[in-house]
Amino acid sequence: KQEVTQIPAALSVPEGENLVLNCSFTDSAIYNLQWFRQDPGKGLTSLLLIQSSQREQTSGRLNASLDKSSGRSTLYIAASQPGDSATYLCAVSWTSYDKVIFGPGTSLSVIP
Amino acid sequence: GAVVSQHPSRVICKSGTSVKIECRSLDFQATTMFWYRQFPKQSLMLMATSNEGSKATYEQGVEKDKFLINHASLTLSTLTVTSAHPEDSSFYICSASPPSLAGGLSPWEQYFGPGTRLTVT
Repeated sequence: KQEVTQIPAALSVPEGENLVLNCSFTDSAIYNLQWFRQDPGKGLTSLLLIQSSQREQTSGRLNASLDKSSGRSTLYIAASQPGDSATYLCAVSWTSYDKVIFGPGTSLSVIP
Repeated sequence: GAVVSQHPSRVICKSGTSVKIECRSLDFQATTMFWYRQFPKQSLMLMATSNEGSKATYEQGVEKDKFLINHASLTLSTLTVTSAHPEDSSFYICSASPPSLAGGLSPWEQYFGPGTRLTVT
């Protein structure tokens, strides 16, 4: 069964810290992996998309890496800010034009 | 700008009534769309796959007679929650991907709508 897990479930850090969010998936033959941000009561904001042939993607202070062989992805947030407080979701697709399976999310709180 | 829209964004209805939610792909045609729901404090779970011109495919545990899906055109899928009850209160979100690389959109990425928050009283 294809599953996606995320640790930690919740994380609280002081402003300015660098942090890492983890995502694990079963069945390493993925098509792509996407990281989303979701603010309370809101929809999804796409952060980074990594294709199966890629090792990492970067956007501003965000860097996402992918290690298919170990079934893992990490989202690195540099110099965290209070505005980064949100739930971060990892989503995996195993075939093109197909559904994605979401992880349970990591709730991040950045303390000023 | 948004490439997938949903309407309404928020709806409150009384128990026993039916509610229709629309999902539209604005810049491309989509033969397949996906419907997800998210209960409070939980992640998104796939409900069903909407196929243009054919029956939807439902995930295990999702009642097909309660959640009616119609994908009548290549840009519109509708989800109707029939005889809604308070336990159906949730955030419903759809997604679709374009068939080819055009207009700056990626065919290998699912684009998500902004979601519809349903509250059943």
